[in-house]
Amino acid sequence: AQRVTQPEKLLSVFKGAPVELKCNYSYSGSPELFWYVQYSRQRLQLLLRHISRESIKGFTADLNKGETSFHLKKPFAQEEDSAMYYCALKKPGGSYIPTFGRGTSLIVHP
Amino acid sequence: DVKVTQSSRYLVKRTGEKVFLECVQDMDHENMFWYRQDPGLGLRLIYFSYDVKMKEKGDIPEGYSVSREKKERFSLILESASTNQTSMYLCASSSITGANVLTFGAGSRLTVL
Repeated sequence: AQRVTQPEKLLSVFKGAPVELKCNYSYSGSPELFWYVQYSRQRLQLLLRHISRESIKGFTADLNKGETSFHLKKPFAQEEDSAMYYCALKKPGGSYIPTFGRGTSLIVHP
Repeated sequence: DVKVTQSSRYLVKRTGEKVFLECVQDMDHENMFWYRQDPGLGLRLIYFSYDVKMKEKGDIPEGYSVSREKKERFSLILESASTNQTSMYLCASSSITGANVLTFGAGSRLTVL
C-alpha cells in the first residue's frame, strides 16, 4: 500500500528564512502528488499539485521520483505562511482516494 | 461561495448517544469523503462514497456508518458515541473529472463526554 511520510511534526523558522517541508512517499508507480494547507480557523484547501508545475504563494514543489520525494519549498518565509501543511498522494488509475501524510505545522516567527 | 457545508460546527454529546454529522456539497461531485483530523495523526479516512448508496470503508470505519441517499449529501453516523471519538471531522468532495482535488468543509468538532 502507498504511504506518505512527513518527518517533521513542527517546523519553526524566522521571517525571511528559506523553508522546506519534507514529504516522502512509498509507491512504485507514477503517483499524483498534492500539498494541502490549513490556515488558522480556515478550511483545508489545495495549495498545489505536482502535475500543474506551478508556484502558489511563492511555494514550489518538485517531484523527485528517484528519491520518492515531493518537498515543498519557499525561499523567503512570511508570517502568513504559518499553517498546517499536508502532503497527499493519489495512485494513478481508478482509485479516487488520496493518502495523506500526518502533516507539518509551520510557524514563521516575526 | 461555500461549496461544502457541514451542518454543525461544534457538538457536545454524551457517551452512548447517537450522533449525526451532515455534509452537503453543491458542486455535483460524485465522490464524498469523511475524515478524522487528530493532532499528530493527520487525516484518517473513515468512509468514502463514489455514488449514491455506494460506500467504501476507509482506514478507521469501526464505530461509524454512513449514508448517501442523494448525490449532494453524505452523512456520518456514530451509533453509540464514545469518548475516543472526540475529534474534528472533515467532509470533502471531489469530481471524477476534477484532477482529483478535494474540496473540504469547515469541519465539525465533536466532543463526547
